[in-house]
Amino acid sequence: DAKTTQPTSMDCAEGRAANLPCNHSTISGNEYVYWYRQIHSQGPQYIIHGLKNNETNEMASLIITEDRKSSTLILPHATLRDTAVYYCIVSLVGATNKLIFGTGTLLAVQP
Amino acid sequence: GAVVSQHPSRVICKSGTSVKIECRSLDFQATTMFWYRQFPKQSLMLMATSNEGSKATYEQGVEKDKFLINHASLTLSTLTVTSAHPEDSSFYICSARDQQASTIYFGEGSWLTVV
Repeated sequence: DAKTTQPTSMDCAEGRAANLPCNHSTISGNEYVYWYRQIHSQGPQYIIHGLKNNETNEMASLIITEDRKSSTLILPHATLRDTAVYYCIVSLVGATNKLIFGTGTLLAVQP
Repeated sequence: GAVVSQHPSRVICKSGTSVKIECRSLDFQATTMFWYRQFPKQSLMLMATSNEGSKATYEQGVEKDKFLINHASLTLSTLTVTSAHPEDSSFYICSARDQQASTIYFGEGSWLTVV
């Protein structure tokens, strides 16, 4: 079973920051938080992952609370192309550790 | 960046026949690959973990004799849907772990329609 809770859907205005929350209150000390997104009829796209420090890359920022029980994915300037289902997943890092998908958040970026 | 490629992207087959889907890691070696299935408006469901040089590990409820997985090299895993039926029509997606990047990348997915 997925170990994360996300809102079913969110709206965001084009050009504004999109903040997608995720609760993972049962996360263990050595589990990472991964974010992927899936645009309709495509395979999931990797966005970012982190353990306990905040992370930033060219796509997004990941803010993890100090107790690691929740995190927020931030898309700094959302565009229409960012409309997708965003999945927050917790997983160990290792050769066989697998990603179990929950229902994700459908982010709709509005013009 | 790392790329995972699937082939074919779309396939239509007749009921009762078998169809093979390939998953390749293009610029990294993957000792482990994963196969998922996704029905319309649902999330991805993990079917099995494919291990190079050994038998795949199937999730509960997934028929191993129906969904044959072969991981013959460090860059290729195949999923064969045997004796396909219309209810097997779905979006099949593979992923592979890039251990150096500690990241799992996904293929583009393969649409299977059984008629």
